[in-house]
Amino acid sequence: DIQMTQSPSTLSASVGDRVTITCRASQSIDNYLAWFQQKPGKAPKLLIYKASILESGVSSRFSGSGSGTEFILTISSLQPDDFATYYCQKYETYPYSFGQGTKLDI
Amino acid sequence: QMELVESGGGVVQPGGSLRLSCAASKFTFSRFGMHWVRQAPGKGLEWVAGILHDGYAEGYADSVKGRFTISRDNLKDTVYLEMTNVRRNDTAVYYCVREGGPTGLDFWGHGTVVDVSS
Repeated sequence: DIQMTQSPSTLSASVGDRVTITCRASQSIDNYLAWFQQKPGKAPKLLIYKASILESGVSSRFSGSGSGTEFILTISSLQPDDFATYYCQKYETYPYSFGQGTKLDI
Repeated sequence: QMELVESGGGVVQPGGSLRLSCAASKFTFSRFGMHWVRQAPGKGLEWVAGILHDGYAEGYADSVKGRFTISRDNLKDTVYLEMTNVRRNDTAVYYCVREGGPTGLDFWGHGTVVDVSS
């Protein structure tokens, strides 16, 4: 099975910062990679799919890149609402595994 | 407004069984794959199982293979997760999730809590 590894596990940043989160797959997943944001006590929210396509209604401060085995989520100019936990996930073929998550805090 | 409403969670003893249900509304259920994703207390997300739109293929995480079964009833717009021989580490919030095809897991329910304890 393909394993997904995110880094870092925790990221400290400030409002206005630009941050990047990396997700690596143990073998190629083409571009079947999604990014989710989750806040405490809430269901995850889809941000980006197919590695770089922004889900409808999601702020353009979020962007994704990569293909094959290495992917990056970038958040430009952090806003207070962006402090949350972020997960990558491979999909299209079972099993649909998640990365372990990156907690973004102040 | 689309909805996914999970039910069936609760307290179950180790070795016991439980069936989760997820009722969908306001979208054409039979056109979408469906999944269950769980989150243990204080932990990350874990994909549990998925089923194609027509029910002809399923997939499972290794941690639940042979113990959990996903199924669906496209006439009732409902997806199920049959959980047997449950273990303490199956304790989690279980989310029902729609797969929008190329868009991946694009719509989530609010979750139902399963607590495996004696």
